[in-house]
Amino acid sequence: AQSVTQLGSHVSVSEGALVLLRCNYSSSVPPYLFWYVQYPNQGLQLLLKYTSAATLVKGINGFEAEFKKSETSFHLTKPSAHMSDAAEYFCAVSGGGSQGNLIFGKGTKLSVKP
Amino acid sequence: EPEVTQTPSHQVTQMGQEVILRCVPISNHLYFYWYRQILGQKVEFLVSFYNNEISEKSEIFDDQFSVERPDGSNFTLKIRSTKLEDSAMYFCASNLRSGSTGELFFGEGSRLTVL
Repeated sequence: AQSVTQLGSHVSVSEGALVLLRCNYSSSVPPYLFWYVQYPNQGLQLLLKYTSAATLVKGINGFEAEFKKSETSFHLTKPSAHMSDAAEYFCAVSGGGSQGNLIFGKGTKLSVKP
Repeated sequence: EPEVTQTPSHQVTQMGQEVILRCVPISNHLYFYWYRQILGQKVEFLVSFYNNEISEKSEIFDDQFSVERPDGSNFTLKIRSTKLEDSAMYFCASNLRSGSTGELFFGEGSRLTVL
């Protein structure tokens, strides 16, 4: 069975600082991995996804994530945080069943200080 | 830009009452889903729906839950007799393509509060 662990329920960075949100997964089959973002009072929006092509995946808003099989990780990074990045971020792995059965992590709330 | 819309945004109900949450998926999408998020917990898969039938459901999706696509545009989630533990944010999502690489498009969610 697949599972996702997000380390840190709350991360706070200063504007302009590096953003690093951690995600580790468990999967018995080659996984598809996703990062979604949820802004206040909005739905989940796809940031980026890994689908067994390039291990470094670039997404929207300057975010990227690197798939590391040896570490079973898919950490999300952004070189320079912006105030508008404040949101909740969810890592997800495909469940291996019908498409769309995503297994989500608990989420990490990112705060950006001026 | 096309989007998934959900109504109501917030519903308060008494325990034991029936609730219907409504979703309008993106018009050319073929796959539809419901997820829920209990406050402070993970977003959990409930059910997927394709070609007018359930294609997969989780153990959460018991006999109290049902889904329907009554008119080709709406996609509804019904909870027959709500329990306190059904209080959560319910997200509808849709997808055009088959295969796990497809992006899910989520609605803004319907918050259900059961008293």
